[in-house]
Amino acid sequence: GAVVSQHPSWVICKSGTSVKIECRSLDFQATTMFWYRQFPKQSLMLMATSNEGSKATYEQGVEKDKFLINHASLTLSTLTVTSAHPEDSSFYICSAGRGGNTEAFFGQGTRLTVV
Amino acid sequence: GNSVTQMEGPVTLSEEAFLTINCTYTATGYPSLFWYVQYPGEGLQLLLKATKADDKGSNKGFEATYRKETTSFHLEKGSVQVSDSAVYFCALMNTGFQKLVFGTGTRLSGQS
Repeated sequence: GAVVSQHPSWVICKSGTSVKIECRSLDFQATTMFWYRQFPKQSLMLMATSNEGSKATYEQGVEKDKFLINHASLTLSTLTVTSAHPEDSSFYICSAGRGGNTEAFFGQGTRLTVV
Repeated sequence: GNSVTQMEGPVTLSEEAFLTINCTYTATGYPSLFWYVQYPGEGLQLLLKATKADDKGSNKGFEATYRKETTSFHLEKGSVQVSDSAVYFCALMNTGFQKLVFGTGTRLSGQS
């Protein structure tokens, strides 16, 4: 159990367009999900905490209007990169926790390339 | 605040060599500690974890001991394999929360 699925696994988009990434908990309910970003050869940086039924909590320096997060159900959170630019090219990965479990389960990640 | 400091790589080892990747942390309270592994082109997989002081996490020949006195969680393996080539991340999670603070990652290359 505790499977998190992320889609798509990779996407190429044109500069100025928007891209939506989905994160689903397949076999458990997740009231909270997390979105991370990983630059090449660097660590993962937390972007925001996605809360089911309420607004996401963004980390300092992350643009809320650029990275829109929607957590509409207990099994789905979406990250939309709006008006994408080449500097948004990165590896985005989500995670979800299950109840009181201290372990975070990660999706496969999405590699975004903006051309 | 919470932070994780991890030894810089890359680390290149011959097959069957002994591996150590150092990790130290700064945290308030009593965090849980984790090692995650990222194989080329893939997401993160939990390798092992420890939730309290003196706990030893182990998996696939890797092990790490939660040392509160030295605030460390060093990853070790007695005999590294080429298939262990990946990036290893040390991370902490504070009690009651599920978001992780990661170290910078250490790239391991095992050579035959």
